[in-house]
Amino acid sequence: SQTIHQWPATLVQPVGSPLSLECTVEGTSNPNLYWYRQAAGRGLQLLFYSVGIGQISSEVPQNLSASRPQDRQFILSSKKLLLSDSGFYLCAWSLTGYNSPLHFGNGTRLTVT
Amino acid sequence: GENVEQHPSTLSVQEGDSAVIKCTYSDSASNYFPWYKQELGKRPQLIIDIRSNVGEKKDQRIAVTLNKTAKHFSLHITETQPEDSAVYFCAASEADSWGKLQFGAGTQVVVTP
Repeated sequence: SQTIHQWPATLVQPVGSPLSLECTVEGTSNPNLYWYRQAAGRGLQLLFYSVGIGQISSEVPQNLSASRPQDRQFILSSKKLLLSDSGFYLCAWSLTGYNSPLHFGNGTRLTVT
Repeated sequence: GENVEQHPSTLSVQEGDSAVIKCTYSDSASNYFPWYKQELGKRPQLIIDIRSNVGEKKDQRIAVTLNKTAKHFSLHITETQPEDSAVYFCAASEADSWGKLQFGAGTQVVVTP
């Protein structure tokens, strides 16, 4: 069966510091991968998605970036965090093709101070 | 692109009563509609989904109905229990992409004993 691992679970970082969140998927090949952000009490905002190695699409302009160095690895990064980057970050995967549900990781709660 | 509206934003029900959440979508070509449940501090989890060739689907106390003509779909929870308290998100696939999901804003359901 497929599993998704996301770490760290919580993170407190000062403004201006770098960020690296990592996500890996096991048990499937060539998944679609996603990064979502959820502000407190708000909905799910799609940040990036990837349909293959090195293929990244950005949904929202910001100071974040994403990379997919391996088939089942997805990384979210920032060179300099802003206060507004605080939130709950969720990695997710789905099978390629249409009509496939998303499966979310446990999330990373990021607080920028 | 697809636009999904979800109502109500909050819903309070007595234990044992039914709860109904409604979503409308804009793209008549959308053909996949999942529902997610997110408990406080946890990841969203798929609870039920429906495809456009089906009008209704049930899974124990949960059912989803789809009206393609009117472009709306609904989640029905019967005999609500306190553990049904959570935020529920509907979503619709974007038919002009590879099936990327567009989420509604969420409904906070509170079941009171």
